[in-house]
Amino acid sequence: EDQVTQSPEALRLQEGESSSLNCSYTVSGLRGLFWYRQDPGKGPEFLFTLYSAGEEKEKERLKATLTKKESFLHITAPKPEDSATYLCAVQAIGSGTYKYIFGTGTRLKVLA
Amino acid sequence: EAQVTQNPRYLITVTGKKLTVTCSQNMNHEYMSWYRQDPGLGLRQIYYSMNVEVTDKGDVPEGYKVSRKEKRNFPLILESPSPNQTSLYFCASSPTLISYEQYFGPGTRLTVT
Repeated sequence: EDQVTQSPEALRLQEGESSSLNCSYTVSGLRGLFWYRQDPGKGPEFLFTLYSAGEEKEKERLKATLTKKESFLHITAPKPEDSATYLCAVQAIGSGTYKYIFGTGTRLKVLA
Repeated sequence: EAQVTQNPRYLITVTGKKLTVTCSQNMNHEYMSWYRQDPGLGLRQIYYSMNVEVTDKGDVPEGYKVSRKEKRNFPLILESPSPNQTSLYFCASSPTLISYEQYFGPGTRLTVT
């Protein structure tokens, strides 16, 4: 069964304290892995798509990487405005389906 | 402005009273989808649509119906809502079926008493 697991569930960082969020996935075949940011009371907002192992993408203080079993979202020198829930999702190959499977997210709090 | 809209944003209803949550996108997207979000369970896909008149089940379709008669609209129908359908619902759309970012609506908070 296709599955996505994110860790940690919650993370508190001091401003400037770099860290990484993990997304482990189990799928029959990967079409794509996605990272989203979600602010309280709002819909998720797209950050990155990764397609194959070894791929990396960057945007401001965020960098996403992908291996055959997991993805990391690295946050360098975070600021309080980076506080949000970060969601990982995959779209898997198989059975002609086009489902997306989301992890339960990591709640990030960056303290000034 | 390119966007996904949902209505209503908030709804309180009673068990068994049929309701429809509307979703509309103005980006000419092929793919549309409905999710529910519950604490500890994350976002779970209810139904998705690959094109007009083409829909398929996600992971939690029980108790829900959808239809896609027009490309821009994808309503979610709860014919006999129950308290376990109390949740935060999101509609999303994407330009293609495969491996592309989804654009999410603002959400509909539904309470069934």
